[in-house]
Amino acid sequence: GQNIDQPTEMTATEGAIVQINCTYQTSGFNGLFWYQQHAGEAPTFLSYNVLDGLEEKGRFSSFLSRSKGYSYLLLKELQMKDSASYLCAVRDWGAYGGATNKLIFGTGTLLAVQP
Amino acid sequence: GAVVSQHPSWVICKSGTSVKIECRSLDFQATTMFWYRQFPKQSLMLMATSNEGSKATYEQGVEKDKFLINHASLTLSTLTVTSAHPEDSSFYICSASLAGFSYEQYFGPGTRLTVT
Repeated sequence: GQNIDQPTEMTATEGAIVQINCTYQTSGFNGLFWYQQHAGEAPTFLSYNVLDGLEEKGRFSSFLSRSKGYSYLLLKELQMKDSASYLCAVRDWGAYGGATNKLIFGTGTLLAVQP
Repeated sequence: GAVVSQHPSWVICKSGTSVKIECRSLDFQATTMFWYRQFPKQSLMLMATSNEGSKATYEQGVEKDKFLINHASLTLSTLTVTSAHPEDSSFYICSASLAGFSYEQYFGPGTRLTVT
């Protein structure tokens, strides 16, 4: 079956670094996404990994290991505005016998940044 | 970047009535649109995949006769919740992709549905 796991909640301090982990077991894999979602709003795109390794984008970095079914999102120099839910999503491939752009979302991690 | 809008942003309806939610891609043509539902403090659950000019593909457990999806053009998809009940109250979010296998989906701002 399809399974994507993330910690439910995390707390970190302003200015610090936090790592949010995501493990997945899916029938297909065609890339992993990280989204940020503030309460009552739509998700906004943060990063995309399809090959193993680290992708850096300003204060945000995302890592992928396909052999381990593992990814993490790294947030540096935390700011209060980073308090949000962070969603890990895997793009499926071949579930219906061909390529697809279908995203399977994890449970989301609610990050609280404290002063 | 690509912009997706939803209308209405929130709606309150009485039990038994139907509600239509529109999803529009404003500056690009979306071959594929997706409809998600999100309950409080939970993640997004894909309801269906909508391809322009063809029938939607529904996820397991989603009633296609209750959640009617129409994707009549490359810029508009609609979700109609028929005979709504309080348990249908949720946050409905659509997304659109530039092409079938584009690496990114662009999300709309969501529609908060409350059924009384």
